[in-house]
Amino acid sequence: EPEVTQTPSHQVTQMGQEVILRCVPISNHLYFYWYRQILGQKVEFLVSFYNNEISEKSEIFDDQFSVERPDGSNFTLKIRSTKLEDSAMYFCASSGTSGNNEQFFGPGTRLTVL
Amino acid sequence: EDQVTQSPEALRLQEGESSSLNCSYTVSGLRGLFWYRQDPGKGPEFLFTLYSAGEEKEKERLKATLTKKESFLHITAPKPEDSATYLCAVHPLLGGYNKLIFGAGTRLAVHP
Repeated sequence: EPEVTQTPSHQVTQMGQEVILRCVPISNHLYFYWYRQILGQKVEFLVSFYNNEISEKSEIFDDQFSVERPDGSNFTLKIRSTKLEDSAMYFCASSGTSGNNEQFFGPGTRLTVL
Repeated sequence: EDQVTQSPEALRLQEGESSSLNCSYTVSGLRGLFWYRQDPGKGPEFLFTLYSAGEEKEKERLKATLTKKESFLHITAPKPEDSATYLCAVHPLLGGYNKLIFGAGTRLAVHP
């Protein structure tokens, strides 16, 4: 069964460093998303991406964040200068031919900023 | 403001003891309502999508229903392996074409 994969599973970084979180969405999906979940809190939407551009972003997704689809399979989230409050689980998701379709989530990357 | 509230926050059941989880929502318009299961340290696992009031979906011991203001996830004769956090999310019609707005979840523990 096709699934979304994410690497690494756990990333530890120092405050101020740049991190890149990687995702491989389900192969025939067209819509891609990043969400985050701070420990003990709700899953929060960060950004959606379609047709090689951002279609929507939340207030959390400020200038420190960027997304890219560098090739036909990968989808990345870059945080330019990490802060302590960026520590969270980051989930990548993808959905099919319409934004109405159910979103399938990856296993997540746990980001720890020291 | 679009909002999703789930209750109860936590639920403890004995194996075989049926119950229901509630998801109430306030949105400008509903494109869809989704139920997910989340195990500790893992990503949300898709369960159901509901699009219109009166719709019902079933999968094994789970049944999801939808009204104009809320959704229920009914668990019939649960087993310990059903223990997880169940998340409800809405896909608003307006002001958010793609994003899902999640509730805080119900942590379900089923004891043998």
